[in-house]
Amino acid sequence: SAVISQKPSRDICQRGTSLTIQCQVDSQVTMMFWYRQQPGQSLTLIATANQGSEATYESGFVIDKFPISRPNLTFSTLTVSNMSPEDSSIYLCSVRTDFGYNYGYTFGSGTRLTVV
Amino acid sequence: QKEVEQNSGPLSVPEGAIASLNCTYSDRGSQSFFWYRQYSGKSPELIMSIYSNGDKEDGRFTAQLNKASQYVSLLIRDSQPSDSATYLCAVNTGSGAGSYQLTFGKGTKLSVIP
Repeated sequence: SAVISQKPSRDICQRGTSLTIQCQVDSQVTMMFWYRQQPGQSLTLIATANQGSEATYESGFVIDKFPISRPNLTFSTLTVSNMSPEDSSIYLCSVRTDFGYNYGYTFGSGTRLTVV
Repeated sequence: QKEVEQNSGPLSVPEGAIASLNCTYSDRGSQSFFWYRQYSGKSPELIMSIYSNGDKEDGRFTAQLNKASQYVSLLIRDSQPSDSATYLCAVNTGSGAGSYQLTFGKGTKLSVIP
């Protein structure tokens, strides 16, 4: 399965600042997905990042707040902009992984963000 | 709104017993179903995927799918303390061919008691 390197693993940030999270995949993938997991909650899809086109954002998430770059087929970044304490979450990137006739979605190790 | 429901638990089972985790989903058009295990402070790890009605077995894990009842379950046989984690049910709820949108349940916390 694909191996995803995500960084930073954690950060503590001041409100009003921005943080850029990076994901590097060890193989070329068409789509990369960005999720948020708020404390005690499940995963919520933020956006889908395609190489060469604008990211597709889910309801409740906007590009100005969560700009995404996808410069090539192995790399993507998610920026959390103008942060507030409500943005404190774990942010995860994910890619589809094929296992013969089966498939699944592999996650990076996550970025634990605390906004103070 | 497409929803995936799980009992939050905690579900406690003795070591060696069978743990049964359940999940229901609202989108009748869903095609692909996944079970993830998430240890505290870690990212989700894929355990099983299932696409058609019936059972699918992989080692100590069996996934069961009933599309008519919109129900998917995960059985863990011979439960071990190392199985203690939160188990997330995920459903591909995207519409149209080639859709990849996953909707996750809130997860069931499993504790296996030695």
